Amino acid sequence: GAVVSQHPSWVICKSGTSVKIECRSLDFQATTMFWYRQFPKQSLMLMATSNEGSKATYEQGVEKDKFLINHASLTLSTLTVTSAHPEDSSFYICSAQTPSGGFTNTQYFGPGTRLTVL
Amino acid sequence: AQSVSQHNHHVILSEAASLELGCNYSYGGTVNLFWYVQYPGQHLQLLLKYFSGDPLVKGIKGFEAEFIKSKFSFNLRKPSVQWSDTAEYFCAVNAFTSGTYKYIFGTGTRLKVLA
Repeated sequence: GAVVSQHPSWVICKSGTSVKIECRSLDFQATTMFWYRQFPKQSLMLMATSNEGSKATYEQGVEKDKFLINHASLTLSTLTVTSAHPEDSSFYICSAQTPSGGFTNTQYFGPGTRLTVL
Repeated sequence: AQSVSQHNHHVILSEAASLELGCNYSYGGTVNLFWYVQYPGQHLQLLLKYFSGDPLVKGIKGFEAEFIKSKFSFNLRKPSVQWSDTAEYFCAVNAFTSGTYKYIFGTGTRLKVLA
């Protein structure tokens, strides 16, 4: 149980284009999903918290107009990198939170999406 | 500010050696603590978690961790590692910050087990 998928697993795009990454919870409903960015040999950096039916909450320093998040259903959140540039190249990971209550929530992670912007 | 420290960035062990990875957190409230593992080319998987109760938590694949509140620590242990334990290990705390619960991750520890 608690499986999270991401699509695509990798994407290469030209500078200036937009890329959409999907995150799905396959066997549970997730009112909250998270988007992280992982730099090589570094830890996960939380970008934003995505709540179903409401606006995402972005971490300090993350451009909300560049990283558009939509959480339209209890099993799907999308991250769109708009007008991508080479510095946006990274590994993007989503997680879905089991709805057991704020304090005891557990996050389950997707496999990640490798974005390369040329 | 809340933070999680993993002091060992790289650990190399021979098979059958014992493992202990350190994790210390800085957070004044009640904590939930987690250890995740990321095998090469794979996604993060939950090894174990602590919410309350017995401070010695047993997880999958023979791992365990001990929560020591007075030391703000949640160290991961395994009595005898295997080559297949080669991976990166992340400690995380679920902290209430900026009006919501969110994970704060440590910087990770890369474990290499020599066959």
